[in-house]
Amino acid sequence: AQKITQTQPGMFVQEKEAVTLDCTYDTSDQSYGLFWYKQPSSGEMIFLIYQGSYDEQNATEGRYSLNFQKARKSANLVISASQLGDSAMYFCAMREGLIQGAQKLVFGQGTRLTINP
Amino acid sequence: NAGVMQNPRHLVRRRGQEARLRCSPMKGHSHVYWYRQLPEEGLKFMVYLQKENIIDESGMPKERFSAEFPKEGPSILRIQQVVRGDSAAYFCASSPGWNRVRSSGANVLTFGAGSRLTVL
Repeated sequence: AQKITQTQPGMFVQEKEAVTLDCTYDTSDQSYGLFWYKQPSSGEMIFLIYQGSYDEQNATEGRYSLNFQKARKSANLVISASQLGDSAMYFCAMREGLIQGAQKLVFGQGTRLTINP
Repeated sequence: NAGVMQNPRHLVRRRGQEARLRCSPMKGHSHVYWYRQLPEEGLKFMVYLQKENIIDESGMPKERFSAEFPKEGPSILRIQQVVRGDSAAYFCASSPGWNRVRSSGANVLTFGAGSRLTVL
């Protein structure tokens, strides 16, 4: 069965510093997709970044990058130059099947990130 | 260009009552998913629907829960005879049909803001 593990329940970081949020996954599939979502205190789920299992390069989206280490089954999120607005819960998620198919995402428990001024 | 619309945002019910949560997918999206988030936990898949079809309901509790996505109108998640353990945030998400998958393979789910159910 698929599993996502986020080992950091909470993190505190100074504004403007970079932060890495850990995510490890377990799957027997060769084809899968990895996602990071942000959930601010208002509650909505905001898509941040995606990495396909066959993508050779690490995904980047603005200040977000995904450190994908396939052999270690890790997909850590890196946020550069953190801002106060980055304070939120962050969820790592995995989807089996690379392209089509049901979007049955399996989510981790989340990491609560707090950015201090 | 409205996103995924969910209502109500907050719903309070007493034990034994029924809860109905509605979801209108993004324009152009034909696939709808429901997820549940218990307090301090990640989201858990409940059901996947296309118009007039339930494709995968493997995450739905066996009793009291049902979902539909009619030809016209929003998708409905219905919880009958609610109990305190049903208190959670219920998220709807939508995605394009398979023939509109992004070339990158990232058929990204777009989530609504969630409906928060409190059972007294």
